[in-house]
Amino acid sequence: DGGITQSPKYLFRKEGQNVTLSCEQNLNHDAMYWYRQDPGQGLRLIYYSQIVNDFQKGDIAEGYSVSREKKESFPLTVTSAQKNPTAFYLCASSVIAGGGLNEQFFGPGTRLTVL
Amino acid sequence: AQKVTQAQTEISVVEKEDVTLDCVYETRDTTYYLFWYKQPPSGELVFLIRRNSFDEQNEISGRYSWNFQKSTSSFNFTITASQVVDSAVYFCALSEGVNTNAGKSTFGDGTTLTVKP
Repeated sequence: DGGITQSPKYLFRKEGQNVTLSCEQNLNHDAMYWYRQDPGQGLRLIYYSQIVNDFQKGDIAEGYSVSREKKESFPLTVTSAQKNPTAFYLCASSVIAGGGLNEQFFGPGTRLTVL
Repeated sequence: AQKVTQAQTEISVVEKEDVTLDCVYETRDTTYYLFWYKQPPSGELVFLIRRNSFDEQNEISGRYSWNFQKSTSSFNFTITASQVVDSAVYFCALSEGVNTNAGKSTFGDGTTLTVKP
């Protein structure tokens, strides 16, 4: 089955540690996205990538970093510079052709708790 | 800049009631796309519908219907005869049609719908 996988589902880290969240897709989509969701709030865009080896900052990129070395993979690193990293992180992908008309497909999310 | 407002934070209804979720958007583009997604308790968002700015026809899919009105910049979502399985957070989203931001969506804060038996 085609889709997006995120691992792990729950992640606990000590304050001050960097942590990398995994996102893999086998949908052959060009674009991939990372969102952060806090309780009672919508999705805020962290980073997105439209092509391999290229990515752009979203609305809340500070304290995060990404890489896009392969089309199917878009890992997100939450660094110690992120002031409040505890949140639910969602990865998504979409087809690029046609501009903004394509819906996004989402992974199951990773709930990160920093202790 | 684009913006999506979902003024209803939480809605609670009893099963079989009809319920409408409101979505108001702002954009300067003439070409744009509107979406609704459903986020069940499991957390994964599921795509429900897409509408482009040139198509104001309303759409019905089973118990779901959508009303798109450019004059009021609204894209409302109605569930008829609600069921407990409809309980979820629903997000409205907006994408602009320009290639430089291709695929980038702005999401509303979501409306949490609770359907009680």
